[in-house]
Amino acid sequence: ETGVTQSPTHLIKTRGQQVTLRCSSQSGHNTVSWYQQALGQGPQFIFQYYREEENGRGNFPPRFSGLQFPNYSSELNVNALELDDSALYLCASSLGTARGGNTIYFGEGSWLTVV
Amino acid sequence: DQQVKQNSPSLSVQEGRISILNCDYTNSMFDYFLWYKKYPAEGPTFLISISSIKDKNEDGRFTVFLNKSAKHLSLHIVPSQPGDSAVYFCAASGGNDYKLSFGAGTTVTVRA
Repeated sequence: ETGVTQSPTHLIKTRGQQVTLRCSSQSGHNTVSWYQQALGQGPQFIFQYYREEENGRGNFPPRFSGLQFPNYSSELNVNALELDDSALYLCASSLGTARGGNTIYFGEGSWLTVV
Repeated sequence: DQQVKQNSPSLSVQEGRISILNCDYTNSMFDYFLWYKKYPAEGPTFLISISSIKDKNEDGRFTVFLNKSAKHLSLHIVPSQPGDSAVYFCAASGGNDYKLSFGAGTTVTVRA
């Protein structure tokens, strides 16, 4: 168990709706990254938050947005849902923006199905 | 574009034998490489990593080899155990870029 918790674990939304996914980072971690993993693919970087500021973004449209709170928990918001947004959304927490693999902890993910 | 590629979607190996997983990358700026293991209904967990200044890193049953000129790395698991059955992801990052670029994964099944 990594100490990174995500909610909800599963949800179904209708195309055009909005969704908010939540992540509580590992105790002491101040950095959260979000990844999207579509079926049969590897995780794709969405963005990273460091000390409540967005610290980099992958190739995702603006309808993907996020927040990080003073306690370093984070939210991922997706507006105007499309069918292709159906995926596993993974949250990863770390201390700083360190690249060491053993300092990055992933949550179990939130499965989003858009119908 | 897919900068990290795992061309074998699956691998089946007998318990006790060697598992070899392969990964290729295209971005010459990548200088840090990682392998993650993922069980169903769990997030990826870190397995082993290697910096571009090395060509081999070993941790118990797991060894990662890096061939920079070929832009290729491999993960060797010896001996393979039933608990090794999982999806294995190769990932890479470069310079000050903290984001990880992942391959599509290889599903390993270890047969008794």
